[in-house]
Amino acid sequence: GAGVSQSPSNKVTEKGKDVELRCDPISGHTALYWYRQSLGQGLEFLIYFQGNSAPDKSGLPSDRFSAERTGGSVSTLTIQRTQQEDSAVYLCASSFGVSAKNIQYFGAGTRLSVL
Amino acid sequence: KQEVTQIPAALSVPEGENLVLNCSFTDSAIYNLQWFRQDPGKGLTSLLLIQSSQREQTSGRLNASLDKSSGRSTLYIAASQPGDSATYLCAVRGNNNDMRFGAGTRLTVKP
Repeated sequence: GAGVSQSPSNKVTEKGKDVELRCDPISGHTALYWYRQSLGQGLEFLIYFQGNSAPDKSGLPSDRFSAERTGGSVSTLTIQRTQQEDSAVYLCASSFGVSAKNIQYFGAGTRLSVL
Repeated sequence: KQEVTQIPAALSVPEGENLVLNCSFTDSAIYNLQWFRQDPGKGLTSLLLIQSSQREQTSGRLNASLDKSSGRSTLYIAASQPGDSATYLCAVRGNNNDMRFGAGTRLTVKP
C-alpha cells in the first residue's frame, strides 16, 4: 500500500478482555516495528520483526503481550486480559530493511482505551 | 540502557526565526539517529536520518547534525513557518535494532 496502515484506529475495551491490533506495512518492507505511546510517557519500543522473525521480545511490557507476523507482511499485536495501564496509542512502523540507512515509516496508530 | 533527552521541552518563536532543537543520548554505540515530527493525533513523519558514520543531513530548511562521541544531535530549522508547529522527536537506534525516543520538543511558530 501507499503507507503503513493500522486498524482499528480506535478501540475501546473492558478491563480483562483480549484485543488484537493490526498493522499492514508498506509493500516490500521487510522490517516491522511496534511502539507504544502513553500519555506523558513518550514513545516506547516494544518489538521488531525482520521478515517473520522477532529476534528480541524483551521490550514487550509483560507476558500478556504477544506479536506475530505472517507471510512477511501483516503483523498483529495481541494484548490478553487488558488492564487500564495498557491504555495508549500503539504505533507500527516499517522499513525496507534494517541497515543504518533505512528510514522507518509510521502508521497513524491505534488508540486503545481500557475501561 | 540508552537514555535520550530533548531540550527544550517546549519552544515558542515568531515566524521567520531560525531555531535549534537539541537531543542528547547516553550511549554512543548507535546505529543511526532519526528526527521525526508528530502532529496532534497523527503518526510520526520522518524528517532526517543520520547514520552513525555521518555528521549531518540536510533537507530543505532542515539540517541535522550528529556528534556521536559527545552524544549530541541538533535539528536546525531555518526561517520557521507556522506550518512547522508540531512536536519534534529524536530517536536513537541501537545496534540491536531497538529505537529509543526522547520525550520531544513541542514547537509553536506564531504568525
